[in-house]
Amino acid sequence: AQTVTQSQPEMSVQEAETVTLSCTYDTSESDYYLFWYKQPPSRQMILVIRQEAYKQQNATENRFSVNFQKAAKSFSLKISDSQLGDAAMYFCAYRRTGNQFYFGTGTSLTVIP
Amino acid sequence: GAVVSQHPSRVICKSGTSVKIECRSLDFQATTMFWYRQFPKQSLMLMATSNEGSKATYEQGVEKDKFLINHASLTLSTLTVTSAHPEDSSFYICSARLAGGDTGELFFGEGSRLTVL
Repeated sequence: AQTVTQSQPEMSVQEAETVTLSCTYDTSESDYYLFWYKQPPSRQMILVIRQEAYKQQNATENRFSVNFQKAAKSFSLKISDSQLGDAAMYFCAYRRTGNQFYFGTGTSLTVIP
Repeated sequence: GAVVSQHPSRVICKSGTSVKIECRSLDFQATTMFWYRQFPKQSLMLMATSNEGSKATYEQGVEKDKFLINHASLTLSTLTVTSAHPEDSSFYICSARLAGGDTGELFFGEGSRLTVL
């Protein structure tokens, strides 16, 4: 069975600083996708970043980057130069090709001015 | 990016009534849509997978007669909560995948908050 674990229910970061959110997953597959979604107070889920498992290079999107360790089944999100608008719930998600998504329990990120 | 719209965003109803929530893909066709339920400060729980033109596939523990899902077209799926009770109060979220190609990601609607009195 596929499971996604986020061990940090809550995190905080000072504005302009860097924070890393952890995510591990369990799978026996070799081909899959990993995602980080952001859910702000408005509640709509927004894609932050995506990683294909077959790609060794870590995905980056502006201030957001991941550290994808396939052998360790780890997929952490690094947010650089944190902004107040980054405050939200962050969900790590796993998806096997063609199949449903599995979400972690989420990490609530607070950005301190 | 692709846009998914949900309506209504908020609904309050009396116990025993039925409520319909619509999920539309506005600028793409979605052969598959997913319905999630989210309790406060918790993760998304998959309720069912909706495929256009066929019956929805429900997750274990989800009552298919209570949560009716219809996916009549490539751009519209509906979730009807029948004979709603206070315990059905929750945040319901739909999502969709692009048809005819697979970028891997899901596109989410804005969510619908249901309150049953």
